[in-house]
Amino acid sequence: DAGVTQSPTHLIKTRGQQVTLRCSPKSGHDTVSWYQQALGQGPQFIFQYYEEEERQRGNFPDRFSGHQFPNYSSELNVNALLLGDSALYLCASSSLGRRDGELFFGEGSRLTVL
Amino acid sequence: AQSVTQLGSHVSVSEGALVLLRCNYSSSVPPYLFWYVQYPNQGLQLLLKYTSAATLVKGINGFEAEFKKSETSFHLTKPSAHMSDAAEYFCAVSEPGTYKYIFGTGTRLKVLA
Repeated sequence: DAGVTQSPTHLIKTRGQQVTLRCSPKSGHDTVSWYQQALGQGPQFIFQYYEEEERQRGNFPDRFSGHQFPNYSSELNVNALLLGDSALYLCASSSLGRRDGELFFGEGSRLTVL
Repeated sequence: AQSVTQLGSHVSVSEGALVLLRCNYSSSVPPYLFWYVQYPNQGLQLLLKYTSAATLVKGINGFEAEFKKSETSFHLTKPSAHMSDAAEYFCAVSEPGTYKYIFGTGTRLKVLA
């Protein structure tokens, strides 16, 4: 049973560029959440997707956007990259029907903005 | 609003000694509480969770935590530290049914030989 998979694992961009990160949820899960983890910090909630719609959003600017596809996979897009966007981006999946509260995390995509 | 406070950004213990990592939370509704471990350059792995059942929760790798509502705490303990326990530990709170976690800033555990 494959867990949560993310790609790419590492990438380097320059300021002003755009980036797309991808996530495939754990088998049987229908909900995908994205978190940003800056160096030395705890993960911060960006947003959550369910049924191809953004259901909840954290305190992140509109430069951060996402999408969920019919197969439940998801993308995180960040436009006009800033140095401060350098972080580990974690994808987490869950099944709203279970209501057990547990998120399953991927290994993350480490973004470096130069 | 929910929040989590982890006291001590760095904790060092000797191998074989008791591990105690502190977590206090704030929540306007009965929360779900979690402890995750993160090894270098890896994602988060669930150690244990409290979801309103037993207040003493046992997790993987010999860790356990006790939910104390009166103290709004969910401290993580392990009777005997092992070198392999060296990692970053995160406490998180969520509102039941939302799957939106609020994480603490983490505690880096160092185990001394």
